[in-house]
Amino acid sequence: QVQLVESGGGVVQPGRSLRLSCATSGFTFRSFGMHWVRQAPGKGLEWVAVITHDESNKYYADSVKGRFTVSRDNSKNTLYLQMNSLRVEDSAVYYCAKGLGVGGSSPIDYWGQGTLVTVSS
Amino acid sequence: QLVLTQSPSASASLGASVKLTCTLSSGHSSYAIAWHQHQSEKGPRYLMKIHSDGSHFKGAGIPDRFSGSSSGAERYLTISSLQSEDEADYYCQTWGTGIQVFGGGTKLTVL
Repeated sequence: QVQLVESGGGVVQPGRSLRLSCATSGFTFRSFGMHWVRQAPGKGLEWVAVITHDESNKYYADSVKGRFTVSRDNSKNTLYLQMNSLRVEDSAVYYCAKGLGVGGSSPIDYWGQGTLVTVSS
Repeated sequence: QLVLTQSPSASASLGASVKLTCTLSSGHSSYAIAWHQHQSEKGPRYLMKIHSDGSHFKGAGIPDRFSGSSSGAERYLTISSLQSEDEADYYCQTWGTGIQVFGGGTKLTVL
């Protein structure tokens, strides 16, 4: 069965960096686009970034553009999110999610359990 | 601008049916959407994809109680024979080139 397991969350000061990882199994990782989605406390889901199956295209929400970088290692079936210049408003549960297709223009069909990021001084 | 609009809350009785609505912004009525269920303290779960013609494709293991339909710019999720575990937040999602959008979510209460 499809499994997505996030790690790397924690408490970090504003302006600092954090790297999230998502280990996957149960599907052919290299054949699907992958997403990061977050949910701030008391808020709804917010899409963060998507990376195509071959890493040829990456797209970001305006709120994180220039600060966050999505990447993947298809040899390790792992997705990453490098978060720099973190802000208090980046505090959220971050979910790794699998796309239904190879690119960034398809819905999500599997989700991880999430990892909590808290940005606080 | 691609926007999805959902009512913040809905409620229905145990065993009854409920129909949740997701409305696409003007000029985007042909877009497909997906529905996701988010139960408290869990990761979200993909329910189905719905096209503008009303055809829908459910995720693995999604019960027959969940169905989808479409009319104009509105996309619907109908849950029949409501169970207590259906109490959750429900989000619609749509996508374009380089963009993904979620609706604000509907909190469903099962009475």
